[in-house]
Amino acid sequence: QVQLVQSGAEVRKPGSSVRISCKASGGTFGTYTVSWVRQAPGQGLEWMGRTIPFLGVADYAQKLQGRVTITADKSTNTAYMELSSLRSDDTAVYYCARGGRGATALHYWGQGTLVSVSS
Amino acid sequence: DIQMTQSPSSLSASVGDRVTITCQASQDINNYLNWYQQKPGKAPKLLIYDASNLETGVPSRFSGSGSGTDFTFTISGLQPEDVATYYCQQSDNFPPRITFGQGTRLDIK
Repeated sequence: QVQLVQSGAEVRKPGSSVRISCKASGGTFGTYTVSWVRQAPGQGLEWMGRTIPFLGVADYAQKLQGRVTITADKSTNTAYMELSSLRSDDTAVYYCARGGRGATALHYWGQGTLVSVSS
Repeated sequence: DIQMTQSPSSLSASVGDRVTITCQASQDINNYLNWYQQKPGKAPKLLIYDASNLETGVPSRFSGSGSGTDFTFTISGLQPEDVATYYCQQSDNFPPRITFGQGTRLDIK
């Protein structure tokens, strides 16, 4: 059973950057996509972007283009999401999620990482 | 851009009730529609993929149907542990994008 384990909570000041990791255990990324999804306090789910680790490509939500970078290290089955120029409204729980049998579904999710942005 | 309209935004039902949530796409998305359950403080959990396929280990009281633009998620026999927020989700390829519905908050009367 694949498990995705994310790095711990982060506190950042406005204008800085944050990098979160997501490591697969009990399995690999294989040929599946790895997406990042965030959830601001009391709000819904927002897709940020995804990578296909075995191809080394990434796509990003238009809203975050230029501020978000998603990468993956196939050798360690670890994906990364870096968000720059942080603002207070980037305060959220950030999730990584991997695809599976479903054509477009996110079958496996990390436990979430809280990023707090405050001066 | 494909827009997703999920309804209702909140719902209160009794234990044992049949509960239905709908999701409408602004254009044909074939059967590429997925449903998730999220409990407070937890990550979302996939329940239904490709409109009607039950994810492994998910109780059979959960089901999904539909194709094209109109989709339905059903809980047949609501249980107390089903209190959660439910989201639909679709995916575009051009440009690549994943979109979630606004969510439906379900509680017990």
